[in-house]
Amino acid sequence: SAVISQKPSRDICQRGTSLTIQCQVDSQVTMMFWYRQQPGQSLTLIATANQGSEATYESGFVIDKFPISRPNLTFSTLTVSNMSPEDSSIYLCSVAGGFTEAFFGQGTRLTVV
Amino acid sequence: GQQVMQIPQYQHVQEGEDFTTYCNSSTTLSNIQWYKQRPGGHPVFLIQLVKSGEVKKQKRLTFQFGEAKKNSSLHITATQTTDVGTYFCAGPRGGNQFYFGTGTSLTVIP
Repeated sequence: SAVISQKPSRDICQRGTSLTIQCQVDSQVTMMFWYRQQPGQSLTLIATANQGSEATYESGFVIDKFPISRPNLTFSTLTVSNMSPEDSSIYLCSVAGGFTEAFFGQGTRLTVV
Repeated sequence: GQQVMQIPQYQHVQEGEDFTTYCNSSTTLSNIQWYKQRPGGHPVFLIQLVKSGEVKKQKRLTFQFGEAKKNSSLHITATQTTDVGTYFCAGPRGGNQFYFGTGTSLTVIP
């Protein structure tokens, strides 16, 4: 199994500012995934982060808005840039690769005011 | 692209009643997984089904994978308040990624 520490657990941010979310995994993993979960909705994949290369973004998500870093095999960050109220969501990091199932961080509950 | 739909979207049951959520994929799946997300929590893996027609049980939970490997169900017998949460099915999309279903939110009324 994998244990993922994600922080912050929640934040309230002013529109126009940026927030960086961090995820630390207790083992080395090839791929890390970032999801967004809007209130009452399912999980939507934002991007896949591989160590040593640029993240791969899903349709509807762009690097300028959601820059991702993956400096090593146990750590990744997602930044939500120039935030608006529409960015209010739960953001989750996840790992699979080598495991059958997906493991998730505790999530970051973001409110933009 | 691939879609994974779940019905119902919401379900309210009296404690002790049974509950079923259904998952339907637009394409054949090599396997299907189920996750539970408690209110305020993150998704937690429950089980994986691989074989056509496979049935697995975890105490009061029964999981089934359809013969055509395009649908699945989760049945909870005699619900308890601890069963409250949102149940997601998930199908693989390659590269260790998953398509998560739309989810079924279960409320159990004591």
